[in-house]
Amino acid sequence: SQKIEQNSEALNIQEGKTATLTCNYTNYSPAYLQWYRQDPGRGPVFLLLIRENEKEKRKERLKVTFDTTLKQSLFHITASQPADSATYLCAFNAGNNRKLIWGLGTSLAVNP
Amino acid sequence: GAGVSQSPSNKVTEKGKDVELRCDPISGHTALYWYRQSLGQGLEFLIYFQGNSAPDKSGLPSDRFSAERTGGSVSTLTIQRTQQEDSAVYLCASSSLSGYQPQHFGDGTRLSIL
Repeated sequence: SQKIEQNSEALNIQEGKTATLTCNYTNYSPAYLQWYRQDPGRGPVFLLLIRENEKEKRKERLKVTFDTTLKQSLFHITASQPADSATYLCAFNAGNNRKLIWGLGTSLAVNP
Repeated sequence: GAGVSQSPSNKVTEKGKDVELRCDPISGHTALYWYRQSLGQGLEFLIYFQGNSAPDKSGLPSDRFSAERTGGSVSTLTIQRTQQEDSAVYLCASSSLSGYQPQHFGDGTRLSIL
């Protein structure tokens, strides 16, 4: 079955460093991947979308890559700040409908 | 506001009671989704609406769960004869139907079954 995996362990980094989060998928070739941020008690907030024919997408301090050979997406936050501390979720579309398959998320803590 | 609104934000009820959860999507968004998120679990897809019809309701866990959408806008998710395993955060999201559009989420209803 279609499966998506993210680092299960929390990531702790120092302020100013680059955070890198990983999303791997199996048994599928998604047309696009999305990354969301979720804070405690809140709904996920969309960050970036990358299509299968795009290698890299950037938005301010955020960068997403999509490697269809490795079946992997990497999410980078450069010059990280304590305000970046949250859970980051990746998701991909399942087939031609609009249902998304979600990872469990990776918790990021940026220490001042 | 311009975002997705869900009500109530918290609901505590006794096992066996029926509950109704409401979602007001972003105006003009024709696609609406319901998800369930349990502690330590990922988002579990429940149902997807396109306008007022539900092309995909494959995620509804049992026949105790139902959802409807009226006027291409507000949606309600109803859980009948609630069980303790129904305790979770129920999230609603909406999106436009053009291309691969991101989903915009409400902050959810935290449902606790005693």
